[in-house]
Amino acid sequence: QKEVEQNSGPLSVPEGAIASLNCTYSDRVSQSFFWYRQYSGKSPELIMSIYSNGDKEDGRFTAQLNKASQYVSLLIRDSQPSDSATYLCAVNSLRTGANSKLTFGKGITLSVRP
Amino acid sequence: KAGVTQTPRYLIKTRGQQVTLSCSPISGHRSVSWYQQTPGQGLQFLFEYFSETQRNKGNFPGRFSGRQFSNSRSEMNVSTLELGDSALYLCASTSGSSYNEQFFGPGTRLTVL
Repeated sequence: QKEVEQNSGPLSVPEGAIASLNCTYSDRVSQSFFWYRQYSGKSPELIMSIYSNGDKEDGRFTAQLNKASQYVSLLIRDSQPSDSATYLCAVNSLRTGANSKLTFGKGITLSVRP
Repeated sequence: KAGVTQTPRYLIKTRGQQVTLSCSPISGHRSVSWYQQTPGQGLQFLFEYFSETQRNKGNFPGRFSGRQFSNSRSEMNVSTLELGDSALYLCASTSGSSYNEQFFGPGTRLTVL
């Protein structure tokens, strides 16, 4: 069974701290990796995508990918109360082309305490 | 650029009825994927349409079907509704040229009574 697993939550951090969200996947051929943020009652919003081993930074967000360990993570620096949401890890077996099926983890709920 | 739109936003149906949900992708996007989100199962892939053809299908019963029109708009249909079909149904739009990044619409909240 091809799966995407995320830490069981919820995760609570103080404002200004670094929040670290982790995700592992079982399908070795996975090529594309995504982090979505979902506020309560809203739809998922794409915040990061990563395809190559290493780090990718975008503002306060850093995605880290290690294909050998089948591990992808999201770091949120200087966490703000507005970052409080559920974060979903998603994986695609292809980088481009004929497969838009994403496999999602169950998500982890982050709470940033003021 | 306008985002993904879905209609209706909320639906209440009774068991045994059928329902049709609509999705308009981002302008220029040719691929539309549908997902079901429930508290217990999370986000699960239903199917994907590209150029009016179903290109991929998840593990859902045949009561769940879809189609795509020449303007890339897509509909999904659920027949003989069951209580367990109550969920948030999400449509995602993909450009097909940007590493399969998917952008979700606001969803349709379906309640089956």
